[in-house]
Amino acid sequence: DAGVTQSPTHLIKTRGQQVTLRCSPISGHKSVSWYQQVLGQGPQFIFQYYEKEERGRGNFPDRFSARQFPNYSSELNVNALLLGDSALYLCASSYAGTIETQYFGPGTRLLVL
Amino acid sequence: AQKVTQAQTEISVVEKEDVTLDCVYETRDTTYYLFWYKQPPSGELVFLIRRNSFDEQNEISGRYSWNFQKSTSSFNFTITASQVVDSAVYFCALREETSGSRLTFGEGTQLTVNP
Repeated sequence: DAGVTQSPTHLIKTRGQQVTLRCSPISGHKSVSWYQQVLGQGPQFIFQYYEKEERGRGNFPDRFSARQFPNYSSELNVNALLLGDSALYLCASSYAGTIETQYFGPGTRLLVL
Repeated sequence: AQKVTQAQTEISVVEKEDVTLDCVYETRDTTYYLFWYKQPPSGELVFLIRRNSFDEQNEISGRYSWNFQKSTSSFNFTITASQVVDSAVYFCALREETSGSRLTFGEGTQLTVNP
């Protein structure tokens, strides 16, 4: 079975622009979480969605938003990009989003110039 | 608040040496879960192990072993007879029962295994 997939793999944007990142979970998984990993640091939790509802939000500004579709795929949107948004954005899926292990995708590398 | 500390930023060993990666955590929950993930240069986080707070039994999987001690709030990871392919960043992570699926990661330890 395919693992978690993310698109695009790399992205270059300029300050002030908007970006949409996409994630497809492992087949059968209903929960998707998003993490931001700045170079040299551990991943930071952004959002969790389960059954198309937001179940958790990390300490990120309102410029960050997400949604989950009926097929359980998810999009992360970031508006008004700042240089500090440059990071690896990781998507993780799990079956039910509570005690199950999260499995991560390869990430999207975003560079904001 | 939950916190994970990986005090070793970088470790360099020669192939076939044993190496231990340290992880110390803080939590007020009585039920929690600890994880180790491996991140090779490609960037994908690869799941290695999950332990819950009620299971302090140590685990061995091939060359990998984990030592969970609640008394010292530690969950250390040992690689026996290291290999070049073990070179990666290793992350320890904590999930509290009261925090849903949110994982709190440490800063990671960069392990370099030299031939």
